[in-house]
Amino acid sequence: QVQLVQSGSELKKPGASVKVSCKVSGYTFTSHALNWVRQAPGQGLEWMGWINTNNGNPTYAHGFGGRFVFSLDTSVSTAYLQINGLKAEDTAVYYCARDQVAAGYMDVWGRGTTVTVSS
Amino acid sequence: DIQLTQSPSSLSASLGDTVTITCRASQRIDTYLHWYQLRPGQAPRLVIFAASTLPTGVPPTFSGTGSGTDFTLTISGLQPDDIASYYCQQSFSLPYTFGQGTKLEIK
Repeated sequence: QVQLVQSGSELKKPGASVKVSCKVSGYTFTSHALNWVRQAPGQGLEWMGWINTNNGNPTYAHGFGGRFVFSLDTSVSTAYLQINGLKAEDTAVYYCARDQVAAGYMDVWGRGTTVTVSS
Repeated sequence: DIQLTQSPSSLSASLGDTVTITCRASQRIDTYLHWYQLRPGQAPRLVIFAASTLPTGVPPTFSGTGSGTDFTLTISGLQPDDIASYYCQQSFSLPYTFGQGTKLEIK
């Protein structure tokens, strides 16, 4: 069945970097874009952007340019979210989610990766 | 950006009740409106797409209506598994945006 398996929780110090992975299985990796969604503690869902799995072209939502980087390794059907220069306010659960092209809904999600930034 | 306003922000109901959550868009979005269920520690789950379509595997106790700017999610015969937070999301235009969420609790 279709699965998105994310990497485990991370505890990082301010200023460090983190790389979250999202490994897909059960479908052709390049057939669907992948979204990244953030949920900060006590907050709602926030769309960070997506990555085109055909050409690796990322699209970032407002406020997620610069320190946030989406990438792919198609050889292992895996997408990555890297956050550089971590700040306390980056503490959140980060989800990857498969996009249904043209319709724009996210039909399969990973379980989320908790990133905690603390000194 | 298109804003989605959900109400209520929290809702307390009894098992077996029927509950309704509303989502209002700041501009017309046709039926590019989708609903998700979030339970702690679990992967979010799509429960309605395109305003009223039930994904495979989602029970028919879930239903959605609406078009344009006003949408509703209804859960009939509330079950313990339905206790969760629910979010609407629009895909009419980028950036995708979510409503602020509705936390559904047992009375």
